[in-house]
Amino acid sequence: QSVLTQPPSVSGAPGQRVTISCTGSSSNIGADYDVHWYQHLPGTAPKLLIYANSNRPSGVPDRFSGSKSGTSASLAITGLQADDEADYYCQSYDTSLTGWVFGGGTKLTVL
Amino acid sequence: EVQLVESGGGFVQPGGSLRLSCAASGFTFSSYAMTWVRQAPGKGLEWVSTITASGSSTFYADSVKGRFTISRDNSKNTLYLQMNSLRVEDTAVYYCAKDKGLVFQNWHFDLWGRGTLVTVSS
Repeated sequence: QSVLTQPPSVSGAPGQRVTISCTGSSSNIGADYDVHWYQHLPGTAPKLLIYANSNRPSGVPDRFSGSKSGTSASLAITGLQADDEADYYCQSYDTSLTGWVFGGGTKLTVL
Repeated sequence: EVQLVESGGGFVQPGGSLRLSCAASGFTFSSYAMTWVRQAPGKGLEWVSTITASGSSTFYADSVKGRFTISRDNSKNTLYLQMNSLRVEDTAVYYCAKDKGLVFQNWHFDLWGRGTLVTVSS
């Protein structure tokens, strides 16, 4: 059971918008620690998608955006494309565990 | 080219040991904290261990504390993970990652390797 809770799967048609939630608690997201998001295709290196809640590294399209409120965060993907199909993970820090934590991951399927 | 390349994975029996390496290139290795993250078969990503840029401080997940040791050789641009008393549940792809961020609690991982597979089985 992950400390950060994500839906196991989401799906959308090409061109649509999807959101992936990441729910934490007062010892991680709610403690005002930043949330970061990664895209991962099995067999490849995970890729940083969003850092510090809402910032995109250079090279990441503005179709990807992040937000954070209270004990939760969200990743939004607009204009869905076939190659967005991947696993997405949120990550933060947990003060109770004194370590960094990941969400359980969400598999995005582009219909 | 900026990259991280892991090596050292393999097959080991329960109770055995293995040392993973991660060779860094294309950036000033000694300026960044580094982290190991693993992914068990069919599971999500799990943070394993982090070491500060100088190597003076180390952090471990409870699941590996006392069994794994993270270290680095800044003269060789290489990160290590010594894994002892291995268990079946340690079976995973192990990734090394470069840390970034101003405050350590807000560190994130902006560069990853492709991983090395560790299989623990009798």
